[in-house]
Amino acid sequence: DAMVIQNPRYQVTQFGKPVTLSCSQTLNHNVMYWYQQKSSQAPKLLFHYYDKDFNNEADTPDNFQSRRPNTSFCFLDIRSPGLGDAAMYLCATSRTQAQRGNSNEQFFGPGTRLTVL
Amino acid sequence: GDSVTQMEGPVTLSEEAFLTINCTYTATGYPSLFWYVQYPGEGLQLLLKATKADDKGSNKGFEATYRKETTSFHLEKGSVQVSDSAVYFCALTGGFKTIFGAGTRLFVKA
Repeated sequence: DAMVIQNPRYQVTQFGKPVTLSCSQTLNHNVMYWYQQKSSQAPKLLFHYYDKDFNNEADTPDNFQSRRPNTSFCFLDIRSPGLGDAAMYLCATSRTQAQRGNSNEQFFGPGTRLTVL
Repeated sequence: GDSVTQMEGPVTLSEEAFLTINCTYTATGYPSLFWYVQYPGEGLQLLLKATKADDKGSNKGFEATYRKETTSFHLEKGSVQVSDSAVYFCALTGGFKTIFGAGTRLFVKA
């Protein structure tokens, strides 16, 4: 089945130690998103790629970076994780960018839960 | 800017009870509207959607109707099951971005 895969499901890192989360998709979608979700809150969009074009949200800290080496893979790099970065990180894909009048369903992976010690 | 407001939870119901989770939105133009569901420890899954006024989305016994006059997209189910326990997110798409509501946690007791 076509899907969005995130590895690992659980990641533990130390304060200040760089960490990379990965996402892959078999849907061949043009757009890939990274969201941060803290407990009992809505997902917060960090950035997205439309093909190779990177779109950063204005309030995403510089500590968060992303790479998309090809259509299938996208990585989230946290350069110096702080205690406040502990959260669930969700990857999602969509066929196109969200536009008015366009039904832009997003397909989510299962998430990676990051713990910062 | 665009926004989504949904009722605060948690909502606790007995099995076979009727469910309503309210969702209202603010948007310019004609956004598409969605309900996503998140089961414990998992990502979000699309539950249903509607792309224009008066459209009704439905799936797994859940329904929601796109009401432009009241800017609402309330989620309903006639008879909930224990397996429906999850967090439900209302969302809209417009302006190159998807906006999520804060989520409503539903507990269904046997």
